[in-house]
Amino acid sequence: DVKVTQSSRYLVKRTGEKVFLECVQDMDHENMFWYRQDPGLGLRLIYFSYDVKMKEKGDIPEGYSVSREKKERFSLILESASTNQTSMYLCASRIRDGQFFGPGTRLTVL
Amino acid sequence: EDQVTQSPEALRLQEGESSSLNCSYTVSGLRGLFWYRQDPGKGPEFLFTLYSAGEEKEKERLKATLTKKESFLHITAPKPEDSATYLCAVQAGSGYALNFGKGTSLLVTP
Repeated sequence: DVKVTQSSRYLVKRTGEKVFLECVQDMDHENMFWYRQDPGLGLRLIYFSYDVKMKEKGDIPEGYSVSREKKERFSLILESASTNQTSMYLCASRIRDGQFFGPGTRLTVL
Repeated sequence: EDQVTQSPEALRLQEGESSSLNCSYTVSGLRGLFWYRQDPGKGPEFLFTLYSAGEEKEKERLKATLTKKESFLHITAPKPEDSATYLCAVQAGSGYALNFGKGTSLLVTP
């Protein structure tokens, strides 16, 4: 079974803090993705990576950066958290027939 | 611009009352259409991938079908445990990313 894990289920941060969200997959997949999910807006792609050290912007990259130093790990970084980044963050890893998602991190920025 | 529209937004069924969820899409070069189930506070769970018009896939009480413009997720004799949000996504062109609809929230009452 594919396993995608995320470092935290719930996270509370203050405005202006630097926030790291980590995602690890155990299936040697090349492609990994970060989405955020908000009520009424659905899932929106922030960034994806198609290989180690390679990244592409998604639909809403502003305010975010990513890091992929190892194949199994894809990190999402909020350089200076803001209240409008309060959201559910979902990491996914690609297989031929789709994407497998992690359990999500519910981030609240106060 | 690629678009994925799901209807209805919400659906309430009695246990045993069969129905269908719709996902209509306008994309250039469809490479795959994906169905996911999402329970509250959790990541999406992969259900099906469909690649070409006329294709059908089944899993327990769920059956997904695909035409050139839309996909249906048929739910036969649903049970309360089928209550969830069902998400549709498409992959098109040469990209790796998925474009998601906003989902249909299904509630099955005893």
